Amino acid sequence: RKEVEQDPGPFNVPEGATVAFNCTYSNSASQSFFWYRQDCRKEPKLLMSVYSSGNEDGRFTAQLNRASQYISLLIRDSKLSDSATYLCVVIRGSQGNLIFGKGTKLSVKP
Amino acid sequence: EPEVTQTPSHQVTQMGQEVILRCVPISNHLYFYWYRQILGQKVEFLVSFYNNEISEKSEIFDDQFSVERPDGSNFTLKIRSTKLEDSAMYFCASRRDRPGEKLFFGSGTQLSVL
Repeated sequence: RKEVEQDPGPFNVPEGATVAFNCTYSNSASQSFFWYRQDCRKEPKLLMSVYSSGNEDGRFTAQLNRASQYISLLIRDSKLSDSATYLCVVIRGSQGNLIFGKGTKLSVKP
Repeated sequence: EPEVTQTPSHQVTQMGQEVILRCVPISNHLYFYWYRQILGQKVEFLVSFYNNEISEKSEIFDDQFSVERPDGSNFTLKIRSTKLEDSAMYFCASRRDRPGEKLFFGSGTQLSVL
């Protein structure tokens, strides 16, 4: 089983839509979780951390279910500029190494 | 916001040649990393570096790879004898302190091995 698994998409949605991405991780000892965003041929950029209680940042909401080892990202009122690949990321080990999922591609259309 | 700087942005080399990819992490950061991303695939961890030594490496990071922090500012990745399958985007990253803190990525070096 892969350490971090995501639905690769692509998700093609109209502007204004709500879209949800899911992610599962295999290592139950994982402690820190993140969503990163990656534009084509660019470096990953931190979108938000994911906390056990769930957290929101504007139009973005992240949820963590430790029992199911499941992480989600909800994007409300999608904008054209949200088009990117969304990477689910888990920290492994004491050195803080990031383990990336393959990413879910989102295309927001006018 | 402070930046991690990588040079060159593109590197083309012949198979079997040595390449050195350069990174300047953020000045007060203590943890340094190299990741790579083959086209169309996920970002993969290569190596982490702390306190002037490798702290962890992946199975990708074999004897052909080495890292150095020669002068307290640069952080380099050397590939001794490049293979076609080493063609990828290589990202350097750094972090100031604890693992949960934000990891800053450079903009990457696209390595093409011909």
